[in-house]
Amino acid sequence: DAKTTQPTSMDCAEGRAANLPCNHSTISGNEYVYWYRQIHSQGPQYIIHGLKNNETNEMASLIITEDRKSSTLILPHATLRDTAVYYCIVRVDDGANNLFFGTGTRLTVIP
Amino acid sequence: NAGVTQTPKFQVLKTGQSMTLQCAQDMNHEYMSWYRQDPGMGLRLIHYSVGAGITDQGEVPNGYNVSRSTTEDFPLRLLSAAPSQTSVYFCASKRTNPPGANVLTFGAGSRLTVL
Repeated sequence: DAKTTQPTSMDCAEGRAANLPCNHSTISGNEYVYWYRQIHSQGPQYIIHGLKNNETNEMASLIITEDRKSSTLILPHATLRDTAVYYCIVRVDDGANNLFFGTGTRLTVIP
Repeated sequence: NAGVTQTPKFQVLKTGQSMTLQCAQDMNHEYMSWYRQDPGMGLRLIHYSVGAGITDQGEVPNGYNVSRSTTEDFPLRLLSAAPSQTSVYFCASKRTNPPGANVLTFGAGSRLTVL
C-alpha cells in the first residue's frame, strides 16, 4: 500500500478555506485517495475520495495533482465544528480491502 | 437506520477478567471490522470479517477473539483483559457487494479501562 505523509497539525481561521495537504508519492495507478475525519472522541467519518479527477461533495473538495503524488482536501468555509483530525488514506478500491489509518492532521479552526 | 451500534460505551475491567464488546449494524453490510485507538495514535485494525462465518486477523489481533455468526453482529471478545488493552474501540462496516468504495461507517466507540 502507498504510504501517506501529512502535517501533524494546522490552524485555520473560521470562515476561511482550510487546505489540508497529503503526500503519497508511491501511489499506484489503481489506488484511490480517501479522506476521513475524526471529531473528538467520535468514530471517524468519511469525507470524500477520488482516483485522479478532482472531486467535490457537500462536505469538501479533493484536488489531486496530475502525477497523483499529492492531494489537497479543501474545506471551503471552515467552521468551529470542522475542528478534527483528518486522515488521508490511499487504498485500492476493492471493497474487501482494509483501511489503515495513520495519525492524520489535527486541524484547529480558530474563531 | 441506526447504522453501527456499539455497546457498552464505557467499561472498567480488572486484569484477567473477560468481556465482550458488542457491535451491530442494520445496513446489511458484508464487511465488519474492529479498530483500537490509543492516545495520540491512529486507529489500528484488530480483526475483520468479509461475511458471515469468515473472520481474519488485522494488525494487532493478540488477546482478542471475534466471530461472525450473522451478517448483523460482530462481537469482540477479550479473554483475559490486560492493562495494555485499555483503549477506545471502534467497530466499522461497509458494503462490499457489489464492489464499491471503501466507505466505512463507524460506531460511536467503546471506551475500555483495564485496571
